[in-house]
Amino acid sequence: DIQMTQSPSTLSASVGDRVTITCRASQSISSWLAWYQRKPGKAPKLLIYKASSLESGVPSRFSGSGSGTEFTLTISSLQPDDFATYYCQQYHSYPLTFGGGTKVEIK
Amino acid sequence: EVQLVESGGGLVQPGGSLRLSCAASGFTFNTYWMTWVRQAPGKGLEWVANMKHDGSETHCVDSVKGRFTISRDNAKNSLYLQMNSLRAEDTAVYYCAKDAGNYRYFDYWGQGTLVTVSS
Repeated sequence: DIQMTQSPSTLSASVGDRVTITCRASQSISSWLAWYQRKPGKAPKLLIYKASSLESGVPSRFSGSGSGTEFTLTISSLQPDDFATYYCQQYHSYPLTFGGGTKVEIK
Repeated sequence: EVQLVESGGGLVQPGGSLRLSCAASGFTFNTYWMTWVRQAPGKGLEWVANMKHDGSETHCVDSVKGRFTISRDNAKNSLYLQMNSLRAEDTAVYYCAKDAGNYRYFDYWGQGTLVTVSS
């Protein structure tokens, strides 16, 4: 199984900050990686697919990069609506696996 | 508008069974893979199982093999998860998700249904 490791697990930041979340795969997954945003009581929301492609309707302050085993999700200027938990997911091979999540908190 | 509405969750004793349903609308259900994902209390997301659009192919995580069965009824635009021999560690919110075309990531999710396995 491909293990996905996210860091940090918690991140404290202020509105306007640039935020970077890292996701590492235990083996190469090429660019088969997605990022999701999860808020309490709400369904997860797709942000990024194929490592760097922005899902339609997602603000351009979100961006993804990386390939192989190391990936990043960047929020260029954190907005109040962005305080949430973020998950990466590999879809290179079964079983599909998620990272443990990164909670972005208000500083 | 794509909508996924899960139902069927509840409290069940260890060893018991439960059948989850997901009613889909707003897209051509019979052309997409569909997936179940769960989130245990205080834990992250875990992929559970998926099924090809025509039902000809399924996959699931090892921890549910032999206990959970995914199925679908394309005439009813519905996805199901039959869960048998339930364990405490199956306690989670179960989400139905729509796969994004030819790839196994998920562009729409339901709100989830809570399954609690406890005596």
